[in-house]
Amino acid sequence: DAKTTQPNSMESNEEEPVHLPCNHSTISGTDYIHWYRQLPSQGPEYVIHGLTSNVNNRMASLAIAEDRKSSTLILHRATLRDAAVYYCISGFNYGQNFVFGPGTRLSVLP
Amino acid sequence: DSGVTQTPKHLITATGQRVTLRCSPRSGDLSVYWYQQSLDQGLQFLIHYYNGEERAKGNILERFSAQQFPDLHSELNLSSLELGDSALYFCASSIGGHRGLGGELFFGEGSRLTVL
Repeated sequence: DAKTTQPNSMESNEEEPVHLPCNHSTISGTDYIHWYRQLPSQGPEYVIHGLTSNVNNRMASLAIAEDRKSSTLILHRATLRDAAVYYCISGFNYGQNFVFGPGTRLSVLP
Repeated sequence: DSGVTQTPKHLITATGQRVTLRCSPRSGDLSVYWYQQSLDQGLQFLIHYYNGEERAKGNILERFSAQQFPDLHSELNLSSLELGDSALYFCASSIGGHRGLGGELFFGEGSRLTVL
């Protein structure tokens, strides 16, 4: 499965939008892009996933570049509860070959 | 609440001992995945079961074994424990199996194992 690279950490102010980038330059045509997040002392939590088109759900939006070599997770209004480590994963077979890298640690300032 | 239940939440044991971690997947989910999360290694995939059958193995040590029972709950057995086995062990479940549909994994809250 394709490797992803993310910034180690990012900071945002509460109630402002947050754009979390992810590079997956070796992604193949059938690889989905998945985002999970892990709040302190909890298991990872699904955020969103997509293949080619931009995706929206109640938690976030996923913007996928036209060449699919990068994507951006968008939190429209950050809250304190959004402070977590965000993992970007690309892969075809979910679960068994998911490679959770270090992720991006998002801090949200009040 | 993800619907995935893991027991015990915390476990303290000594080196050389054996422990069993239990996972009950969400109702209707056929796949169970085990992950290990330690401070220096991040989240590492261990093993995947689908409807009772082993489907994939990751970085799972020979001292570790797992199984999925007919009622779909799963157990991860860790034996001859070493200090380095201290970690959080997560179970996740999903509806599907080995075909990538871009689906969603539901993680439990984890079992924290401390080996002294």
